[in-house]
Amino acid sequence: GAVVSQHPSRVICKSGTSVKIECRSLDFQATTMFWYRQFPKKSLMLMATSNEGSKATYEQGVEKDKFLINHASLTLSTLTVTSAHPEDSSFYICSAALSHNEQFFGPGTRLTVL
Amino acid sequence: DAKTTQPNSMESNEEEPVHLPCNHSTISGTDYIHWYRQLPSQGPEYVIHGLTSNVNNRMASLAIAEDRKSSTLILHRATLRDAAVYYCIPFYEDGSSNTGKLIFGQGTTLQVKP
Repeated sequence: GAVVSQHPSRVICKSGTSVKIECRSLDFQATTMFWYRQFPKKSLMLMATSNEGSKATYEQGVEKDKFLINHASLTLSTLTVTSAHPEDSSFYICSAALSHNEQFFGPGTRLTVL
Repeated sequence: DAKTTQPNSMESNEEEPVHLPCNHSTISGTDYIHWYRQLPSQGPEYVIHGLTSNVNNRMASLAIAEDRKSSTLILHRATLRDAAVYYCIPFYEDGSSNTGKLIFGQGTTLQVKP
């Protein structure tokens, strides 16, 4: 199957700082990528849909000014958590669409905000 | 979005078949049924998908009820590596360039005993 990577895999930061997470499709081009968040023992929650060359579409309740998404190329989308606080600590996962019915997920990034 | 109902957890013995049920009584006629699984601390992994006919691949089989209100994921011989959370997701496959969103429910946690 197609491969999606995320960097970093783990990050610990101080409260108030910003953190950038990268999502790359390694062997295919993805017009659309998705960002999810997952709290412990909970299911994945879709945060936003990222389309190459256009603004991301955020799900209801997700603050677009706090979670900045950039999809500047067909193989890279970034999620920046701005002014992170302890409640933003979570497992962030991206997926990339190979076609309209095939999505491949990254391994996730564990964010801990102290 | 169509709602799904899955058992919270199931147990299986190694080398035995496992049948994971999913009810999706509000599924629309154009929704495919996708199954993903998530191993601990990893991103979800695609398992199988189908529309009306039963489907087989190297990982599993998918049996879809004639009325499409339920489906069953079948792992023919469970291994310890199959221990994961299994998600059943009705998914609208837009034939255009638009890519549908995967909305995850709570899933079924499968435990495999040696």
